Formats: sequence, C-alpha cells, structure tokens
Amino acid sequence: DAKTTQPNSMESNEEEPVHLPCNHSTISGTDYIHWYRQLPSQGPEYVIHGLTSNVNNRMASLAIAEDRKSSTLILHRATLRDAAVYYCIRFTGNQFYFGTGTSLTVIP
Amino acid sequence: SQTIHQWPATLVQPVGSPLSLECTVEGTSNPNLYWYRQAAGRGLQLLFYSVGIGQISSEVPQNLSASRPQDRQFILSSKKLLLSDSGFYLCAWRGLGLSNTGELFFGEGSRLTVL
Repeated sequence: DAKTTQPNSMESNEEEPVHLPCNHSTISGTDYIHWYRQLPSQGPEYVIHGLTSNVNNRMASLAIAEDRKSSTLILHRATLRDAAVYYCIRFTGNQFYFGTGTSLTVIP
Repeated sequence: SQTIHQWPATLVQPVGSPLSLECTVEGTSNPNLYWYRQAAGRGLQLLFYSVGIGQISSEVPQNLSASRPQDRQFILSSKKLLLSDSGFYLCAWRGLGLSNTGELFFGEGSRLTVL
C-alpha cells in the first residue's frame, strides 16, 4: 500500500513550469508530505516537504490542498537536469512510504 | 559532515546462495536506518527500518532479514536468495536530532542480480 498515487509519466518543455500532482486521500492529520527525486542508478534525493501550508525552497514549491488530500510539486522552470522520477511520499511514524513515482521527461 | 556508505555496489549471486549487504553511517549518532528495494522500473519498497541497536521493524514478509549490531551499521541478509530478490537495494538514514520532518539521506545503492 503506497498510500499515494501519481501519474506514471509527464512531459515538459525546457524552461517551462511543471506541475506534478499527487493524491493522498487517506492522509492523517500528522502525516507530512515529502517529495524526492531519483536519477537512474542513484538513490533518491530530497526535494521539499510540508504539512499544511505551501512551501518554497531553492529547488521547488509545494502546494498542499486545503483538505490535504492532494498536493502538487511545482518546478518553476524545468531544465534538462530535472529529468528524473519524482516520488510523493507520506511520512508517518518513522516510515517513509514511496509510491511508484512520476517519470518526468524534459524536452529541449 | 554526515556520510553513508553501502557495499558491495554490484553483486551477482546464484539462486539459493546467501546474501549480506552492509551499510554504515558516519558523522551522526543514533540515526533511524532504512533498507529499501527497487525492482527494475518500479518504485521503492520499504523492507526494514531501525530506530536503535537491535531494534528492527519489518514491513514486508520475505526471506530477507536485517540486523543492527552497532549504532551506525545496518546489515541486510538472506540465507537463500530467490530470483525475485534481484533489484536495487538502498540504505538510508534520518537524524533523530532533527524534527519529525527530517529528510532521508540515501546511500549509493547495491545492485543485486540473482541468476
């Protein structure tokens, strides 16, 4: 039970914004939403996380729905280096549960 | 600074043979430690996590086991490998000095092929 659902793949043109959606309809009030991304043959790397409020950092923005049943990772200007598999994760207790992720293709 | 290492990086083993993958963390104390497996083209599956020495929680019943003999050492083992054990194994840690939102840091991964 991955506890989150994401589209299998998405495409974006280089230099354009990308919105990666995630559904987590069974989330509890204390679960954080984390996003990680993974390049081929590497371990995932942290992107951003949040609980209720929208969050911004140097890599991305995270928009969390008011009912917390969904969230969207926003890459403001996609670059070729952003091509990766993006995972939306519920952090509950001590466990991080990864779903199958969204494979992002960036078109030059 | 904190670092995480796991080895071996690649491993080819026959069915029925034993397995031992090792992970060590440096530069931190009492981390939470995790083992994940990623089958080809799939997401990450949480196998085990540990909040302290000798404390192991298993997420998925299987022929794998984990041990934490020292604070910063996490070992994944099997007595008899199956074909389905092939995959990319990732060790990760999270510092308890951080809040509950502390991020995971992953090792370089160990690619296991069972023939």
